[in-house]
Amino acid sequence: QSALTQPASVSGSPGQSITISCTGTSSDVGSYNLVSWYQQHPGKAPKLMIYEGSKRPSGVSNRFSGSKSGNTASLTISGLQAEDEADYYCCSYAGSSTLYFGGGTRLTVL
Amino acid sequence: QVQLVQSGAEVKKPGASVKVSCKASGYTFTSYYIHWVRQAPGQGLEWMGIINPTGGSSSYAQKFQGRVTMTRDTSTSTVYMELSSLRSEDTAVYYCVSGIQLWSFDYWGQGTLVTVSS
Repeated sequence: QSALTQPASVSGSPGQSITISCTGTSSDVGSYNLVSWYQQHPGKAPKLMIYEGSKRPSGVSNRFSGSKSGNTASLTISGLQAEDEADYYCCSYAGSSTLYFGGGTRLTVL
Repeated sequence: QVQLVQSGAEVKKPGASVKVSCKASGYTFTSYYIHWVRQAPGQGLEWMGIINPTGGSSSYAQKFQGRVTMTRDTSTSTVYMELSSLRSEDTAVYYCVSGIQLWSFDYWGQGTLVTVSS
């Protein structure tokens, strides 16, 4: 089994919306609605942004939303802000107490 | 508040072992799972495994089977991750992460840099 597939980079202008995809297989993303998303700024530990596909932890802006279709999960950030510039990682449960991360996506706010 | 405090940076030679600790506070130690995740320089996140502090059972990513051991000490609310037969590719920041469900990473430690170099 290999890591989930994410685009290496995405970009958008302030105020715009962007979507980051996370493609897995029928054994992980497709089988469980247990994808989470993490934001990581340079030199910092990752931060949980979305869990169980579409749920937001307390304190996370409602500009962040998650969804899934088939074997692909998506993270959408609306009303882009400069502070959203970071690396984003998806992670999916794959059964038998196993999890897989995506390779990460660098978001650039133009 | 939930806090995970990890041990300090380590420098090891190839073939050696390293043991990283992670002390939890701010919650009931047995209520949250603890994962270990690593990140090589300039690279992405990699899940290594999980330990259930309640009974001490663990599950490891296939890649690390036979090389990693995760243990816990409930008397000090501390989890340990030991990685053996180190090679240069193991140079990375190692994070302990707690989650109330075994499929999410809610709270992250500050990370421990392990450098493997001859």
